[in-house]
Amino acid sequence: DSGVTQTPKHLITATGQRVTLRCSPRSGDLSVYWYQQSLDQGLQFLIQYYNGEERAKGNILERFSAQQFPDLHSELNLSSLELGDSALYFCASSRTLHGKYGYTFGSGTRLTVV
Amino acid sequence: AQKITQTQPGMFVQEKEAVTLDCTYDTSDQSYGLFWYKQPSSGEMIFLIYQGSYDEQNATEGRYSLNFQKARKSANLVISASQLGDSAMYFCAMRGAGANSKLTFGKGITLSVRP
Repeated sequence: DSGVTQTPKHLITATGQRVTLRCSPRSGDLSVYWYQQSLDQGLQFLIQYYNGEERAKGNILERFSAQQFPDLHSELNLSSLELGDSALYFCASSRTLHGKYGYTFGSGTRLTVV
Repeated sequence: AQKITQTQPGMFVQEKEAVTLDCTYDTSDQSYGLFWYKQPSSGEMIFLIYQGSYDEQNATEGRYSLNFQKARKSANLVISASQLGDSAMYFCAMRGAGANSKLTFGKGITLSVRP
């Protein structure tokens, strides 16, 4: 157990639907990062939050949004889902803003859009 | 922009032998960090080893060592005494400075350990 908890582990949904992925960072970690891993694109950075504020944005589609709550857990919302959104979504956390002490990954949420 | 390049095709190694997985990187940051992660078939990302750009000595963690050649911008992972459980995908990643603090990953290398 890495200390980063992602739920659900698996999700199957239909095109056009909306889903929410949840991440609880390791205790004491203030930064949360979301990544998407697909066969064709590899591991792509989506977005980073630090202590509740958005700090960096990567290749995140407009249909996707995220937030970090006061208790530091984070949610990634994916809407108007398309087949191409099927991927493994990882959350990672770090103690500081700049990841000085490393990053811990959750076990991922495998999303299948049918 | 930061870039990680892993170009080796699937790698094969005999059990108990050593193997080197290649990684080259590109960045304009003076301060950066290099990471290796292992992803077994179960999917989780397991941290293996870290090398800071100002670290003078190569990092080691048990059977893992990182061959850091700063001038060549390479950060190769060496696994000694390979075990069957080492069969997995291996990712090299880097973290830059400031706004580049996110991890940028390479495409990964598949390692298969033969008994």
